[in-house]
Amino acid sequence: EAGVAQSPRYKIIEKRQSVAFWCNPISGHATLYWYQQILGQGPKLLIQFQNNGVVDDSQLPKDRFSAERLKGVDSTLKIQPAKLEDSAVYLCASSLGGSGRAFEQFFGPGTRLTVL
Amino acid sequence: GQSLEQPSEVTAVEGAIVQINCTYQTSGFYGLSWYQQHDGGAPTFLSYNALDGLEETGRFSSFLSRSDSYGYLLLQELQMKDSASYFCAPRRQAGANNLFFGTGTRLTVIP
Repeated sequence: EAGVAQSPRYKIIEKRQSVAFWCNPISGHATLYWYQQILGQGPKLLIQFQNNGVVDDSQLPKDRFSAERLKGVDSTLKIQPAKLEDSAVYLCASSLGGSGRAFEQFFGPGTRLTVL
Repeated sequence: GQSLEQPSEVTAVEGAIVQINCTYQTSGFYGLSWYQQHDGGAPTFLSYNALDGLEETGRFSSFLSRSDSYGYLLLQELQMKDSASYFCAPRRQAGANNLFFGTGTRLTVIP
């Protein structure tokens, strides 16, 4: 079974530029999560999708971050414009969702973003 | 509000047993997950406790006391490869099924 795929793995941009990250979850996983992990901290949930609908985006900085999950499969997270404090690893995770093993999330390798 | 407390760092000797404690405060608590993350790697699921008591999975065990808002992860027969960060993550809101991660515990296993 293929795992969660993310691209790119690394990205370096200057502040005020825009950037996009892509995620393809495990086949059949209805729930998709985007996390931000700053060095030395735990993952912070940015947004959660159930199929193609948003379930929780309470911690998403909506003035600069946006995400979509068209067709309920892969997803894109965008930052525009980027700030220095956005430097972090962006992790995508997926789970079965519903009443299944939703507490068990499968994480992708992440995208390491550096904003200069 | 929500909060998590874990020791920031723990050091233990190879072959020994180590316990990583977690106290939490969150609304709508449904269970406690544990994840392992090696440097530069992605978090990986270790265990989940929905009910009070001990869950055992090989060398790893996890315990939950809902009345005390407390849990721990027990690692036995420590190996060098167990050096990693360990996160407890309360599961909130049955509908959203999301996890709240704290800053984690960095475990260093020494020979």
